[in-house]
Amino acid sequence: GIQVEQSPPDLILQEGANSTLRCNFSDSVNNLQWFHQNPWGQLINLFYIPSGTKQNGRLSATTVATERYSLLYISSSQTTDSGVYFCAVYPGGFKTIFGAGTRLFVKA
Amino acid sequence: NAGVTQTPKFQVLKTGQSMTLQCAQDMNHNSMYWYRQDPGMGLRLIYYSASEGTTDKGEVPNGYNVSRLNKREFSLRLESAAPSQTSVYFCASSEVRAPYEQYFGPGTRLTVT
Repeated sequence: GIQVEQSPPDLILQEGANSTLRCNFSDSVNNLQWFHQNPWGQLINLFYIPSGTKQNGRLSATTVATERYSLLYISSSQTTDSGVYFCAVYPGGFKTIFGAGTRLFVKA
Repeated sequence: NAGVTQTPKFQVLKTGQSMTLQCAQDMNHNSMYWYRQDPGMGLRLIYYSASEGTTDKGEVPNGYNVSRLNKREFSLRLESAAPSQTSVYFCASSEVRAPYEQYFGPGTRLTVT
C-alpha cells in the first residue's frame, strides 16, 4: 500500500523562527490534507490541498502531486503552534492514510 | 453548528466488556469515518461509511463493528474489549464529492484494563 513519510519527526524552534515540514508519499493520490493536533489532542484542519499552493495567515502549503510531496511552511512561529502536524493522503475511494507526524515545540 | 461530536470523552473498560462509541455530525455530510490513534502514531482508519446505508472496512477493522444509524450518526462498537484496543478514537465526516475535506470530532480516550 501507499507509504506516507513526514520529516522531520521532531522540531524545536525559537519563537519567531520559520520552518518547513515535508510529506512524501509513495504513489499518486487524489487528495491531501494537513492537520494540526494541539496539545489537548484536538485535530484542526489546516489545508485541503491536492495540488498547488494555499496560504492562511502565517501558514502556507504547497503540493506537487507529480513529484509526490507536500510542504507546510510556518512563518514567525508562536508558542501556540506547538503540537503535532499530520499530513493525510487519499489514494482513492474513501481510504485515508496518515503520516506519523512532525512533533513541533516552539520555545518562548 | 457543533460540527462533529463524540460521546463519551473518556471510558475505562475491563477486558471482555462491551461498549459503543457514539458520533454525530450536523454538517449534512454523507461520509463518516472512525479512526484510532495510538501513542506517537498517526491515525489509522477502522471503518468508514461512504453514505447512509453503507459501511466498509478500513485498515484495522478487527475487533470492531459499526452502524450507520442515519445520515447524522455513526457508532463504533467493541463487543469484547481487549487491552490492545486502548487508544484514542476519533470520528470524522466529509462530503462524498470534492472537496473531500474531513472534519474531526474531539476524540474518545479509551482504556482497557
